Amino acid sequence: DAGVTQSPTHLIKTRGQQVTLRCSPKSGHDTVSWYQQALGQGPQFIFQYYEEEERQRGNFPDRFSGHQFPNYSSELNVNALLLGDSALYLCASSLGGKETQYFGPGTRLLVL
Amino acid sequence: RKEVEQDPGPFNVPEGATVAFNCTYSNSASQSFFWYRQDCRKEPKLLMSVYSSGNEDGRFTAQLNRASQYISLLIRDSKLSDSATYLCVVNMGTGMLTFGGGTRLMVKP
Repeated sequence: DAGVTQSPTHLIKTRGQQVTLRCSPKSGHDTVSWYQQALGQGPQFIFQYYEEEERQRGNFPDRFSGHQFPNYSSELNVNALLLGDSALYLCASSLGGKETQYFGPGTRLLVL
Repeated sequence: RKEVEQDPGPFNVPEGATVAFNCTYSNSASQSFFWYRQDCRKEPKLLMSVYSSGNEDGRFTAQLNRASQYISLLIRDSKLSDSATYLCVVNMGTGMLTFGGGTRLMVKP
């Protein structure tokens, strides 16, 4: 039974560029949540997708957007990258969004 | 004020010691509570859910005090492999998890 998978594992971008991160949820899960974890801090909620729609959003600017596909996989897009966007981006999947969330290994983004 | 607050540590303890972590949360409407464990440069992994009645899983005991908005984690007989960052997590019931900053534990031989 495959767990949550994310790609790529690492990414280096420069300021102003755009990035797309991908997540496949655990088998049987239908909800994907995205979190940003800066170094030395706890993860912060970006948004949650359920039934291909953004159901909730944290305190992140519109530069952060996402999508969920019919197979429940999801993408996180960040436009106009800033140095402060450098972080570990975590995807978590759950069933219905309100049950226990299981995290993928994350994508480590470095913005230069 | 942060929504979930933890002492960042580090807590340096010898093997076999008992160590306790505490966490406070600000929103009294919070509905579910968890401890996650995060190893260096890895993803958070669910350690245990936390209930008002208290719950135990082997060497780990978690407790919730709703009146004080306080969550605790007790680790008995610490092992080297317990070295990690422990994240206190609160769910408002909406599915959005709110994390504390984490408490770092280092167990020494």
